[in-house]
Amino acid sequence: DGGITQSPKYLFRKEGQNVTLSCEQNLNHDAMYWYRQDPGQGLRLIYYSQIVNDFQKGDIAEGYSVSREKKESFPLTVTSAQKNPTAFYLCASSLLGQGYNEQFFGPGTRLTVL
Amino acid sequence: DAKTTQPPSMDCAEGRAANLPCNHSTISGNEYVYWYRQIHSQGPQYIIHGLKNNETNEMASLIITEDRKSSTLILPHATLRDTAVYYCIVRVRSNDYKLSFGAGTTVTVRA
Repeated sequence: DGGITQSPKYLFRKEGQNVTLSCEQNLNHDAMYWYRQDPGQGLRLIYYSQIVNDFQKGDIAEGYSVSREKKESFPLTVTSAQKNPTAFYLCASSLLGQGYNEQFFGPGTRLTVL
Repeated sequence: DAKTTQPPSMDCAEGRAANLPCNHSTISGNEYVYWYRQIHSQGPQYIIHGLKNNETNEMASLIITEDRKSSTLILPHATLRDTAVYYCIVRVRSNDYKLSFGAGTTVTVRA
């Protein structure tokens, strides 16, 4: 089945540790995105990438880093510089090109920093 | 992108139509209206989008007023599985593929 996978579903880390969240898609989509969601809030864009080896900051990129070495993969690293890392992290992907291309979302990773 | 206003919550009876309003009074001529929904602890799911004309697909209908300052998402026969947060998003259809999600409307379908 085609789709987006995120692992793990739940992740616990100690304060001050970097942690990397995985996102893989087999939809052959060009663009990939990372969003953060806090309780009762909407999604906020962290980073996005439209092509391999290129990515752009979203609205809340500080304290995060990404890489896009393969079309299928867009891992997100939450660094110790992120002041409030505990949140629900969602990865998405979409086609590019003319017209509107809906974003397909993964199941999310819930990160808790203790 | 234009700002949207949605009621924070609404209830709906199972089997009845659910009408979800969205106000976007500052929408400009080249901005589209998109709807996504998010079932608890899952990723959002695309529902429908439109510019001026009313749109319908297998999930829902989208009614946009003539002045385009507001729209309504209609779930024709709500089921318990339609309980979710529904997001109305207004944005330009361009190469900028970012989506801006507000707080949305929490819809609870009751048996």
